[in-house]
Amino acid sequence: RKEVEQDPGPFNVPEGATVAFNCTYSNSASQSFFWYRQDCRKEPKLLMSVYSSGNEDGRFTAQLNRASQYISLLIRDSKLSDSATYLCVVNRGSGNTGKLIFGQGTTLQVKP
Amino acid sequence: DAGVTQSPTHLIKTRGQQVTLRCSPISGHKSVSWYQQVLGQGPQFIFQYYEKEERGRGNFPDRFSARQFPNYSSELNVNALLLGDSALYLCASSFVGGTYEQYFGPGTRLTVT
Repeated sequence: RKEVEQDPGPFNVPEGATVAFNCTYSNSASQSFFWYRQDCRKEPKLLMSVYSSGNEDGRFTAQLNRASQYISLLIRDSKLSDSATYLCVVNRGSGNTGKLIFGQGTTLQVKP
Repeated sequence: DAGVTQSPTHLIKTRGQQVTLRCSPISGHKSVSWYQQVLGQGPQFIFQYYEKEERGRGNFPDRFSARQFPNYSSELNVNALLLGDSALYLCASSFVGGTYEQYFGPGTRLTVT
């Protein structure tokens, strides 16, 4: 079983739709949580950190449930430019040691 | 401000050869991590360095090694290349290690033939 699991998709949605991605992680020692976005053949770019209280950045909302070891990302009013792979990431680091564990990514295709 | 830079951008090697990849972190960042990403998968952690010391190592063979220099730049070396080493090699920097956010460079795409 992978340490971070995501539904690989693809998710095909029309412009303006709301789409939700889910992710589970198995190591309860995980310290911090992120969503990264990766465009084809490019590097991952940090989309947002995820906090237990939930956090929102414009059309994007992330939630963390430590008890269930579950992370989510909600995208409202999807744009064509949101088409990308979304990577769920946990950091098992502590002190000065950081180790990001990535899910395999969920592909989103937003269509006109 | 410049982001994380990596060189070269592309590289083609033959089996058995050795390769060195280079990374310069964001100014002020002291931690550098290396990741390998094969097609269709998320990046896999290889190494993390902070203040020139190895702070973490992933499940990669001893053919993989790295170091960090006093200016916080880093090199990743891979010896005795195998076809399976073909991948995108990503470098990420963070202010310190730990749970801080990591920012990725554009990667080096390595093809082993």
